[in-house]
Amino acid sequence: SQTIHQWPATLVQPVGSPLSLECTVEGTSNPNLYWYRQAAGRGLQLLFYSVGIGQISSEVPQNLSASRPQDRQFILSSKKLLLSDSGFYLCAIRITGANVLTFGAGSRLTVL
Amino acid sequence: RKEVEQDPGPFNVPEGATVAFNCTYSNSASQSFFWYRQDCRKEPKLLMSVYSSGNEDGRFTAQLNRASQYISLLIRDSKLSDSATYLCVVTGWAGYALNFGKGTSLLVTP
Repeated sequence: SQTIHQWPATLVQPVGSPLSLECTVEGTSNPNLYWYRQAAGRGLQLLFYSVGIGQISSEVPQNLSASRPQDRQFILSSKKLLLSDSGFYLCAIRITGANVLTFGAGSRLTVL
Repeated sequence: RKEVEQDPGPFNVPEGATVAFNCTYSNSASQSFFWYRQDCRKEPKLLMSVYSSGNEDGRFTAQLNRASQYISLLIRDSKLSDSATYLCVVTGWAGYALNFGKGTSLLVTP
């Protein structure tokens, strides 16, 4: 079965600082990878998805970016965080041919 | 109109009660439907898929009404451990991404 690792689990960052959240996957090859964000009082918002190495699609305009340098590695970044970037960031995988998403444990970001 | 809308909740029910959640979706081309469960400050986890003919998993029953574009989740004989937020999930326009409702909070009390 697949395992998703996300880190860091929790972080507090000042406004204007950079961000790097990492997601790695074990137990599968060539998965579709997703970054979702869940802000307080809001639903899950799809930020990025990737169908392969170096292939990133962005769903919403924002100051965040994503990269997929390896098949099972997905990174979410920002050069300058905003207060509105606070939230629960979830990496998810979807196995090719299936529609079910499986989530990692998430990274909880607070921007002060 | 939001793509997926759920009952606002919260639902506070006593143990043993039956509770039902509804969810409507806007994309008539959606093909896949799910209910996820999310515990406080945890990641969502798949509870069950929803099939056109309806499906049951123990105390949980899910139904899909394509004509009216809504899905439902029925929980019978509620347990304290059922307390969580239940997310309605529908495939998006292109099929590659899943759209989540905001969730309905359930609190089962002794």
